[in-house]
Amino acid sequence: DQQVKQNSPSLSVQEGRISILNCDYTNSMFDYFLWYKKYPAEGPTFLISISSIKDKNEDGRFTVFLNKSAKHLSLHIVPSQPGDSAVYFCAAQGGSEKLVFGKGTKLTVNP
Amino acid sequence: DAGVIQSPRHEVTEMGQEVTLRCKPISGHNSLFWYRQTMMRGLELLIYFNNNVPIDDSGMPEDRFSAKMPNASFSTLKIQPSEPRDSAVYFCASNGQPSDTQYFGPGTRLTVL
Repeated sequence: DQQVKQNSPSLSVQEGRISILNCDYTNSMFDYFLWYKKYPAEGPTFLISISSIKDKNEDGRFTVFLNKSAKHLSLHIVPSQPGDSAVYFCAAQGGSEKLVFGKGTKLTVNP
Repeated sequence: DAGVIQSPRHEVTEMGQEVTLRCKPISGHNSLFWYRQTMMRGLELLIYFNNNVPIDDSGMPEDRFSAKMPNASFSTLKIQPSEPRDSAVYFCASNGQPSDTQYFGPGTRLTVL
């Protein structure tokens, strides 16, 4: 049973516009959430994270929002650039070093 | 910094053969993780070690899979005998402290015919 769900397998946006990637989780014990980005033939790389004590974390063009009551988080990329085209994984952690990943969303940013 | 090193990058084998995947974590990192990525299940944790000791192997699919970490700079994931359903990309990751980001290697793409 998937504890972390990314319901959109793919997303396509125009360069310069906002990309919004969504993630839902079911386990209330999760207290730390991360987004990883993955290019083809490479391993995932850490992008941004948020603790459950916060509802927003921003790093340059990337912002992660957390809604604990809805068990939902989202990643906003503004403005989107062609180099952002990749697969984005949402991950959650709670009580141990284990990361539980979603299946990923493939983002395509069109020039 | 060389990052996490995995070998081989690609492995093609026939059903029934033994497969060994190798990982060298980032120097100084205390924890090492093995993940498997498939279309159906996404990225799932198989096993992780802390200070060379296996902590959680609940993700290891069955007895055909085994993992070892004989020292702080080397780990192996072995599949014996391999089956076509084991075809996937296997990633190794490491981190220095439990609260740290996990750094992933480039992965090994395994194809079992």
